[in-house]
Amino acid sequence: QMQLVESGGGVVQPGRSLRLSCEASGFTFSRSGMHWVRQAPGKGLEWVAVIWYDGSHEDYGDSVKGRFTVSRDNSKKTLFLQMNSLRGEDTAVYYCARGLGTGSSYPLDLWGQGTLVTVSS
Amino acid sequence: IVLTQSPGTLSLSPGERATLSCRASRSLSSTDLAWYQQKPGQAPKLLIYAASSRATGIPDRFSGSGSGTDFTLTISRLEPEDFAVYYCQQYGNSPRTFGQGTKVEIK
Repeated sequence: QMQLVESGGGVVQPGRSLRLSCEASGFTFSRSGMHWVRQAPGKGLEWVAVIWYDGSHEDYGDSVKGRFTVSRDNSKKTLFLQMNSLRGEDTAVYYCARGLGTGSSYPLDLWGQGTLVTVSS
Repeated sequence: IVLTQSPGTLSLSPGERATLSCRASRSLSSTDLAWYQQKPGQAPKLLIYAASSRATGIPDRFSGSGSGTDFTLTISRLEPEDFAVYYCQQYGNSPRTFGQGTKVEIK
């Protein structure tokens, strides 16, 4: 069945870096725009980033622009989120999600189970 | 674009009708508005996209409507499994944004 599985979360000190991964299965990964969405503990959803199906375009939320980088390896059906200069306010569950189309302007129809990132000294 | 959802919490009984609102800070294309359901400890689930199209497998008691700046999610008769938090999202403008959520709780 179609599935997204995130990994790479954990506890990291402020100012350090972390890379999240999201492995896709059960669908043609290379045809889908892919997103990262996060949710701080007890809070709502915050959109983080999107990358087009072929990696040609990216876009970011204002709070992570310049610190986070989204990328993908279609040969390995894997999405990545490189997070640098981490702050306490980046503490959240990070979800990867599939867009319904190839670009960025589509709803998110398949979600992973999330991976928790805790930024703390 | 800021999305404001109301009410923050809706207390209803099973079988009742739920009406959730999502208001945008500026006009949206009706093709660019979605609704998601999230239950505790679970990932969000797409219910409605393009303001009024049900996602695959979503029961017809869920319906969406609206245009411009005002959008509505209606649950015609609440089932026990419908008590959850609901989010609207606009995905046509950068950055994509979510509303703050409406919790539908059992009265």
